[in-house]
Amino acid sequence: EPEVTQTPSHQVTQMGQEVILRCVPISNHLYFYWYRQILGQKVEFLVSFYNNEISEKSEIFDDQFSVERPDGSNFTLKIRSTKLEDSAMYFCASRLQTAAGEQYFGPGTRLTVT
Amino acid sequence: ELKVEQNPLFLSMQEGKNYTIYCNYSTTSDRLYWYRQDPGKSLESLFVLLSNGAVKQEGRLMASLDTKARLSTLHITAAVHDLSATYFCAVGPGTGNQFYFGTGTSLTVIP
Repeated sequence: EPEVTQTPSHQVTQMGQEVILRCVPISNHLYFYWYRQILGQKVEFLVSFYNNEISEKSEIFDDQFSVERPDGSNFTLKIRSTKLEDSAMYFCASRLQTAAGEQYFGPGTRLTVT
Repeated sequence: ELKVEQNPLFLSMQEGKNYTIYCNYSTTSDRLYWYRQDPGKSLESLFVLLSNGAVKQEGRLMASLDTKARLSTLHITAAVHDLSATYFCAVGPGTGNQFYFGTGTSLTVIP
């Protein structure tokens, strides 16, 4: 069964460093998402991406964040200068362009900023 | 901004008992999703509800949607320990492309 994959599973970085989180969505899906979940809290929407551009973004998704689909398979989230409060689990999700619109989530990347 | 509230936030119940988790949302939508999350894991899709009055059942879980009341419920029948997890509802997408997640309900089933 097709699935969303994410790498790395765990990333440790120092404050101020840049990180790139990678995702491979399900191949025939057209909508892509990044979410953040701080430990023990709810899932927070960051950004949605469709047709090679951002379709919506939340207040969390400020100038420190960017997304890219560099080729036909990868979808990346870059954090330019990490802060301690960026420590969280980051989930990628994808969905088909259908009315049902069910999202499929990747396993997540745990980002720890020290 | 659309608000999605779940209650209770924490639920401890004995095996064999029944209980309902509620999901209220603040704007009109006819697309409601339920997910399960085990500790340290990703989100697993449980139900997709796409119209008013929709009811879906899988095993001991049953979800329903009342779009007029802006309310979805997740009913647990005869709980077993394996159901212990956090359950999230999510609304959307509407006119945009964004999903809004509820606060989550942490369920613990006690033997």
